[in-house]
This record gives sequence, C-alpha cells and structure tokens, in this order.
Amino acid sequence: NAGVTQTPKFQVLKTGQSMTLQCAQDMNHNSMYWYRQDPGMGLRLIYYSASEGTTDKGEVPNGYNVSRLNKREFSLRLESAAPSQTSVYFCASSVEGVLEQYFGPGTRLTVT
Amino acid sequence: RKEVEQDPGPFNVPEGATVAFNCTYSNSASQSFFWYRQDCRKEPKLLMSVYSSGNEDGRFTAQLNRASQYISLLIRDSKLSDSATYLCVVRNSGNTPLVFGKGTRLSVIA
Repeated sequence: NAGVTQTPKFQVLKTGQSMTLQCAQDMNHNSMYWYRQDPGMGLRLIYYSASEGTTDKGEVPNGYNVSRLNKREFSLRLESAAPSQTSVYFCASSVEGVLEQYFGPGTRLTVT
Repeated sequence: RKEVEQDPGPFNVPEGATVAFNCTYSNSASQSFFWYRQDCRKEPKLLMSVYSSGNEDGRFTAQLNRASQYISLLIRDSKLSDSATYLCVVRNSGNTPLVFGKGTRLSVIA
C-alpha cells in the first residue's frame, strides 16, 4: 500500500498562474482533507470531504477550490495563485469513526 | 483565542533528560485528544492517543485533565531520535476534522 500520495512534490508558480494539487489514497478511506502549513502558523484546514460527493470549507478556504473525484482522489485547485499561498500543502485521509488521520508527504509550493 | 495552544519552544534538552509538553484547548465539548509527531520537512504522524485515565507507551506518557482542559506529554530518557515537533491535536465531535496546535519543537542534544 502506498498510503496517501501527493503530486507534485515541489512547484514554483508565478502570481496569477493556476494549478491543481493531486492527492490519492489507497486505504479505502471515506474522509479526505487538505491542510496548509506555514512557519509559526501550524496546520490549517483548507477544505475537507467527509465522504465521496461532499466537500466542506475549513478554516482558510479563500483562493482554493476542491474536487472529490471519487473515493480515492481529492484535488486542490488554485485558480489564480498569490504569494500568500506559498506554503507546504498536506493531504490527509481517515476512516469515518476511526480517529487517526494519515498524511501524504506534502507539496512545497512557492508563488513568486 | 486559538482553539489549541502549545508552548512553541524550542526545548533543548540533553540525552537522557525527561521533558514535558503542555497543551490547552478551548472547547469544553472536545471529545478526542492526540499527540502527533512531525519530523523536519516530513508529514505529521500519530504518536499516541490520549485517554481520560492517562496512558503510557514505552518512554511516552500522555495525560488529560478535562476539568482544566489540559493535555500533557512526558518523554523520559530522551533520545536523539526524539528530536521533532510535537503537535497537540483535538477532535471536537463525531467525524469533524482534527484541530491542530502549532506544535512544540524538541531538540535532544548529545
């Protein structure tokens, strides 16, 4: 099992460019999450999907969109990247009713 | 007030020392509590859940005080490999997302 995978691992964008961060899990988990982590700010929830076909906003959703493509995949889109979106992005998944969240290795995004 | 608060550290301790981390949470209805560990430039991983009666896993002991809304993690006989950031994590109810503290950085020095 690969667990939670994320692509790309690194990305540099110019202001105004768009991109999609991909996340997939092979653990048959119902719930998936996108976080960003900035120095001194900790992990902040952007969006989550409690189950296939549903998505909900987290603490910092502005400037992002998500798609729960199927049970395995949950993508995060930046339509018009801004320098404030420079961060490390983590995807995570969990089974409903089970408390542990499993994280992917992260995507390091720089917006210039 | 941040929902989960931790001392950011860093805590610099010699090998073999005992170190304790504290965490407070603001939502009295919080139901589940955890400590996660995050190595430098890596993803967070579950270290241990925290139960009301307190629990121990080898050199690690976690305690919960619901009345004071306080969680602690004690590491005994620190190893160099314990150097990491320790995240205090809370779940408020049911299947809601986890809420993470900002983390406490630990450096164990030879």
